Amino acid sequence: GQNIDQPTEMTATEGAIVQINCTYQTSGFNGLFWYQQHAGEAPTFLSYNVLDGLEEKGRFSSFLSRSKGYSYLLLKELQMKDSASYLCAVSPNAGNMLTFGGGTRLMVKP
Amino acid sequence: DAMVIQNPRYQVTQFGKPVTLSCSQTLNHNVMYWYQQKSSQAPKLLFHYYDKDFNNEADTPDNFQSRRPNTSFCFLDIRSPGLGDAAMYLCATSGDYNEQFFGPGTRLTVL
Repeated sequence: GQNIDQPTEMTATEGAIVQINCTYQTSGFNGLFWYQQHAGEAPTFLSYNVLDGLEEKGRFSSFLSRSKGYSYLLLKELQMKDSASYLCAVSPNAGNMLTFGGGTRLMVKP
Repeated sequence: DAMVIQNPRYQVTQFGKPVTLSCSQTLNHNVMYWYQQKSSQAPKLLFHYYDKDFNNEADTPDNFQSRRPNTSFCFLDIRSPGLGDAAMYLCATSGDYNEQFFGPGTRLTVL
């Protein structure tokens, strides 16, 4: 089966840095995605990792270690608008299917 | 702009009354997906189409059906909605890569 774990909730302060972790155990691995989802809205794509290492994109970075089945999403210079759920999703095979984690609800406080 | 469109954004139906949700895309992607997402939970894949090939997830209830008459459109039919089917229904598409593009979702309320 597929199992993806991430914390349910996190709180951070505006301007700070927060790291959201994701661990996965899947039958195969063909890439890991991070999506942002604001309440009542659709998920929007943030990042994709298929090789080990760090991918940086503006204030957001994502890291992958395939040997550890581990990824994190790093958000810098937090803004109030970053309050959202962050979904970790794994593609277990060469097809297009994704298995989602339960999401981490991030609350950014002034 | 190329996009995934879902109509309506909000749908109210009565217990047991059939309802259809629609999704269209201008991305010309060959794969389309339907997800069900309940509050504070991960999106759950119901089924997907690879071109015209229909793929049903093993635990998708028979109450849920889908149609894809052409590349651009895909429909989700709920034959007899129950109170437990109240959720956000997300349509997504993907092309040659794994990235999925989501529509804004349809929030279904069952009275």
